[in-house]
Amino acid sequence: AQSVTQLGSHVSVSEGALVLLRCNYSSSVPPYLFWYVQYPNQGLQLLLKYTSAATLVKGINGFEAEFKKSETSFHLTKPSAHMSDAAEYFCAVSKGGSQGNLIFGKGTKLSVKP
Amino acid sequence: DAGVIQSPRHEVTEMGQEVTLRCKPISGHDYLFWYRQTMMRGLELLIYFNNNVPIDDSGMPEDRFSAKMPNASFSTLKIQPSEPRDSAVYFCASRTGVGNTIYFGEGSWLTVV
Repeated sequence: AQSVTQLGSHVSVSEGALVLLRCNYSSSVPPYLFWYVQYPNQGLQLLLKYTSAATLVKGINGFEAEFKKSETSFHLTKPSAHMSDAAEYFCAVSKGGSQGNLIFGKGTKLSVKP
Repeated sequence: DAGVIQSPRHEVTEMGQEVTLRCKPISGHDYLFWYRQTMMRGLELLIYFNNNVPIDDSGMPEDRFSAKMPNASFSTLKIQPSEPRDSAVYFCASRTGVGNTIYFGEGSWLTVV
């Protein structure tokens, strides 16, 4: 069965600092992995996705994530946090390969301090 | 391009009343999803449709909840009778049959008092 675990329900960083949001997955088939972002009072929007091509995936707003099979991880990073990055971030894994529906993690709320 | 459109954006209703949430998926998308988001349970998949046919409704909490998709451009999620514990944000989402990026609407904020 597929699942994702996001470590840390809340992460706080200073503006300009590195952002690291952790996600570990479990999948019985080669995984398709996603990061979504949810800004306050809005729906979720796709940041980036891994679909078995390059292991380092670049997304919008300067975010990137690296697929590490040996660690079953897909952590999200951004070199320098901006105030506008404050939001909730969700990691998701496809349930059943390329055509499967998504299983979401519990989310990590990112706060950015000035 | 228009995204997934949901209505109403906000609804406050009294316990026992019927609530109907509406969704228009992105044109050409043949999968439609209904999710519920709460602080306690996070994001839960309630039901999804493929080509207007319900495929998996195992996430629907109980018989008070029902969902329909009469055509490719419209779906409803109905709660009857509503209860305070149904208070949540309900998201509709859609995708095409190829690849699995899901596109979300902005949600319907439901409060049952």
